[in-house]
Amino acid sequence: QVQLQESGPGLVRPSQTLSLTCTVSGGSLNSRSYYWSWIRQPAGKGLELIGHIQTNGNTDYNPSLESRVTLSVDKSKNQFSLRLSSVTAADTAVYYCARSRILTNSWSYMDVWGKGTTVSVSS
Amino acid sequence: ETVMTQSPATLSVSPGERATVSCRASQSVSSNLAWYQQKPGQAPRLLIYGASTRASGLPARFSGSGSGTEFTLTLSSLQSEDFAVYYCQQYDDWPPTFGQGTKVEIK
Repeated sequence: QVQLQESGPGLVRPSQTLSLTCTVSGGSLNSRSYYWSWIRQPAGKGLELIGHIQTNGNTDYNPSLESRVTLSVDKSKNQFSLRLSSVTAADTAVYYCARSRILTNSWSYMDVWGKGTTVSVSS
Repeated sequence: ETVMTQSPATLSVSPGERATVSCRASQSVSSNLAWYQQKPGQAPRLLIYGASTRASGLPARFSGSGSGTEFTLTLSSLQSEDFAVYYCQQYDDWPPTFGQGTKVEIK
């Protein structure tokens, strides 16, 4: 059974770059069948998709964050990563990685989620 | 961007009773609609996709319906473990967007 685990610093200074990694276990990230996604959730608020990446490196980013986001994948380590630049307090949230099955005629839903990691932006 | 609006924000229900959560899309999303359950301190869990298909292992007391712009998640005979926050998500257009959540609490 595939499991996902986020890792990275819990505190980032304003204007710096937030970097997180998601490690895939119990299965291979190297599948053409899935998107590998990042979603965030500010405390007490709703969910926001940041973007996703395929194992061939193709990415799709939420337009609201596109100018600051970079997703990458390391198939040798079974990991994918998020970089969010120029962070502010508004980027404070729980960050989740997730898996989505690639569908034919639409985008997708997330069927496997990591447990999430809390990132605070503060000086 | 498609805006998803859930109602009500909070639903108070007694164990064993039925709960109905509504989700409205600002434009048609066909049947490209998923529902998630989230408990405090946990990640969301996929319940329903394709508006009405239950995720693997999901009890039959959970059901989804609707298409286009109007969707419903029904929890029949609520169990103690069902009290949580529920989110809808459309995946018809980019970016996929979520509703603001409905908290189902014990009455």
